[in-house]
Amino acid sequence: AQTVTQSQPEMSVQEAETVTLSCTYDTSESDYYLFWYKQPPSRQMILVIRQEAYKQQNATENRFSVNFQKAAKSFSLKISDSQLGDAAMYFCAYGSGNTGKLIFGQGTTLQVKP
Amino acid sequence: EPEVTQTPSHQVTQMGQEVILRCVPISNHLYFYWYRQILGQKVEFLVSFYNNEISEKSEIFDDQFSVERPDGSNFTLKIRSTKLEDSAMYFCASSLSRGGTEAFFGQGTRLTVV
Repeated sequence: AQTVTQSQPEMSVQEAETVTLSCTYDTSESDYYLFWYKQPPSRQMILVIRQEAYKQQNATENRFSVNFQKAAKSFSLKISDSQLGDAAMYFCAYGSGNTGKLIFGQGTTLQVKP
Repeated sequence: EPEVTQTPSHQVTQMGQEVILRCVPISNHLYFYWYRQILGQKVEFLVSFYNNEISEKSEIFDDQFSVERPDGSNFTLKIRSTKLEDSAMYFCASSLSRGGTEAFFGQGTRLTVV
C-alpha cells in the first residue's frame, strides 16, 4: 500500500523568506504523480503544484517549486518570497496512475510572520 | 472558471438519521471521488466512481455509505444511519481522467452528527 509522510506538523517563515516543506512517500507502483495541495482556513483544497514521477525535471509554478528525489522517494515543496496569503495547511499527496485516488500526508501548518 | 459545487455547506443531523451530501462535478469530467477530513486530521479517500459504478473504495466506505450519479450531473454520497464518528468535512472531487490530471475539489460539506 502507498503511504505519504509529512514529518513537520508546523512550520513558520518570515514574510519574504523561503521555506521548505518535507514529504516522503512509499510505493511499489511505477506510474504515479505527486501533488501539493493548500488548505486555507476556508478548508477549500487548492492545487499548488504537481509532478509526474516519470519526469526528472522538478516542477515549478511561480514562487513554488519542488525537489523531487525519486530514488529517495522524497518530494519537498519550496516556497520562495513567502507572503501572508501563503499561511495555510499544506498537504502532500500521492496520486496513483492506475486508479486516480489521492493519498494524503498528515499536513503541515505553515505560519507566515510579518 | 468551472468548479465543483457541493451542497449544503453545513449539515447537522441526529445520530441514526440518513444524510445525503450533494455534489455537482465539472461537466466534462469523468472520474468522481469522495474524501473526508475529520477535524485536525488528514484527508482520507472514501470512494472513486467512473462509468456509473464504483471503481475503488476504502475500508471506511462500509455498507452505511453509498454513492450515486442519478441524473448525469449530480454525484451524491449517502450515509444511511449516521454515527457520531461520521462528523467530518466531506469533499467531492472530479477529474477529467485518472492518474496525473488535476482533481478539482469542491468547497466541502461540514457534517455534524449530534
